[in-house]
Amino acid sequence: GAGVSQSPSNKVTEKGKDVELRCDPISGHTALYWYRQSLGQGLEFLIYFQGNSAPDKSGLPSDRFSAERTGGSVSTLTIQRTQQEDSAVYLCASSFGRLGTEAFFGQGTRLTVV
Amino acid sequence: DAKTTQPPSMDCAEGRAANLPCNHSTISGNEYVYWYRQIHSQGPQYIIHGLKNNETNEMASLIITEDRKSSTLILPHATLRDTAVYYCIVRPGGGAGGGNKLTFGTGTQLKVEL
Repeated sequence: GAGVSQSPSNKVTEKGKDVELRCDPISGHTALYWYRQSLGQGLEFLIYFQGNSAPDKSGLPSDRFSAERTGGSVSTLTIQRTQQEDSAVYLCASSFGRLGTEAFFGQGTRLTVV
Repeated sequence: DAKTTQPPSMDCAEGRAANLPCNHSTISGNEYVYWYRQIHSQGPQYIIHGLKNNETNEMASLIITEDRKSSTLILPHATLRDTAVYYCIVRPGGGAGGGNKLTFGTGTQLKVEL
């Protein structure tokens, strides 16, 4: 596909369950970012990948959150023991990892914890 | 990260030019100015970016002052579909581990009206 693809587009889960969110970046993009946006709020940075390594994980809110990227492509964001405050739209973006290149966002996964 | 300051909201008549200002007085020499917008319920959309020269593409023009402490995004003929939150972002120098993330502020809510 031409753009960043995220799945699922919507996820409803019960409190305490684990969830996995997937991001397929644009082919050839070495940099990948995860953000989240709570209702009515701004975008909050979570983690940045360059290739398969994550030089910046500073935005992960707790140790319940983890992310991995394999083959320099697909990334998975995992939230363990979900809480209601985890409800948000989780957005993924990718870019060529060079200075001055733009990042393109997917449409996000809307996570609702009930 | 260099921070940006934007007005919280602006109105524009359809068909007129929308000029969105941004102050980034602490910008460093290798930092680019990026503009994104987010239409309601969608992922952020890249608009344009620049280092020190003015830039133009099919969506907008970016005017950066000579001292690089401020910039203006110009939508030459705003339409109702341009109603969105517009984010001005200064992006740190890139490279692996260089902090390539985009840090979103609160942006400017542009409302285009008939």
